[in-house]
Amino acid sequence: AQSVTQLGSHVSVSEGALVLLRCNYSSSVPPYLFWYVQYPNQGLQLLLKYTTGATLVKGINGFEAEFKKSETSFHLTKPSAHMSDAAEYFCAVSETGGFKTIFGAGTRLFVKA
Amino acid sequence: NAGVTQTPKFQVLKTGQSMTLQCAQDMNHNSMYWYRQDPGMGLRLIYYSASEGTTDKGEVPNGYNVSRLNKREFSLRLESAAPSQTSVYFCASSEGGVLYNEQFFGPGTRLTVL
Repeated sequence: AQSVTQLGSHVSVSEGALVLLRCNYSSSVPPYLFWYVQYPNQGLQLLLKYTTGATLVKGINGFEAEFKKSETSFHLTKPSAHMSDAAEYFCAVSETGGFKTIFGAGTRLFVKA
Repeated sequence: NAGVTQTPKFQVLKTGQSMTLQCAQDMNHNSMYWYRQDPGMGLRLIYYSASEGTTDKGEVPNGYNVSRLNKREFSLRLESAAPSQTSVYFCASSEGGVLYNEQFFGPGTRLTVL
């Protein structure tokens, strides 16, 4: 069965610092991987996704993620944090069959002025 | 386009009461989903509907029922609410049928069961 592990339930960075949110997955077949963001009192929205092809994926708001098959990882990065990046971030893997997505437990990002 | 809408936004129930959460999407998506979100547990799938006329259990279906009323609407019913069902409920939709479809989420319903 597929699963997703997000390392760190809370991450705190200073404004302007590098953001790194970690995600590892397990899958017996090539995975399709996603990062979603949830702002307070809102639903989730897609940041970026990996399907096939280029392993470095660029998303909205300056975020990117790199698929590393050998490490079964899909870490999310942003070179310079902004106060507006404070939110909860979810890594997810699409399950075979195309109808179900498995979500990680989430990482809450705090950005300090 | 409104995207995915959910009603109500907030609800307080007493143990044993019933209620239905409503969800509608205007993107002509085939697939719809109900999740619950609890602190530290991410989103867990309750039920999903791959296409109009079909529904299937997800990870945590006990205590819930669903109805795919038509292509637009997918409702979630709690027949006899329990405190363990206190949670935030999200409805989502996707085109479906493709492994890498993104899901579009509604704003959520915050449910408290006393």
